[in-house]
Amino acid sequence: QLHLQESGSGLVKPSQTLSLTCSVSGGSINTGAFSWNWIRQPPGKGLEWIGYISHTGSTYYNPSLESRVTISLDTSMSQFSLKLSSVTATDTAVYYCAREGIVGATRYFDYWGQGSLVTVSS
Amino acid sequence: YELTQPPSVSVSPGQTASISCSGDKLGDKYACWYQQKAGQSPVLVIFEDNKRPSGIPERFSGSNFGNIATLTISGTQVLDEADYYCQAWDRTTAIFGGGTKLTVL
Repeated sequence: QLHLQESGSGLVKPSQTLSLTCSVSGGSINTGAFSWNWIRQPPGKGLEWIGYISHTGSTYYNPSLESRVTISLDTSMSQFSLKLSSVTATDTAVYYCAREGIVGATRYFDYWGQGSLVTVSS
Repeated sequence: YELTQPPSVSVSPGQTASISCSGDKLGDKYACWYQQKAGQSPVLVIFEDNKRPSGIPERFSGSNFGNIATLTISGTQVLDEADYYCQAWDRTTAIFGGGTKLTVL
């Protein structure tokens, strides 16, 4: 059974960089059938996709966040990471890491981490 | 690209609940649905418009035609009370609907 676990700082000051890591266990992170995603949810609001990285290191980001986002992959550690720069209070959210299954044109987020609350405040 | 869902839907136990998701030519894309119970992570309940992952009850079904995708829950149970989100891909960007709160009472 695949397991994803987020870790990182729960409190970040405005204008600084948010950093989170997702540790993957129970399966390989180095396979072409999946992408590794970050998705966030502000308190009381809906889901927002941040971006993903493939096993080859290719990245795709939400255009609304692209200028501030970096997602990286460490296959040796079975981890992928998120950095979001120049944060403001509007970046306060629960951040989820999620695996996406890809079969041809079919794509779906089938495994999710438990989520990590990040608060932006001075 | 936007996906629009009704903010809330109410249903009595045992009845059928339908949650809509509208988007321009959504039927030309594959839609997924996620269930999120209070304080928990989202769970995939429908993918590729109408397929159920292993472990998802048969009472969950989906359709996607024209501009509207629909999640249908037949014989709704109290434990189905949750927020439901539709999702589709617009080129290389994943788009989520705003979510629908399903109340079972």
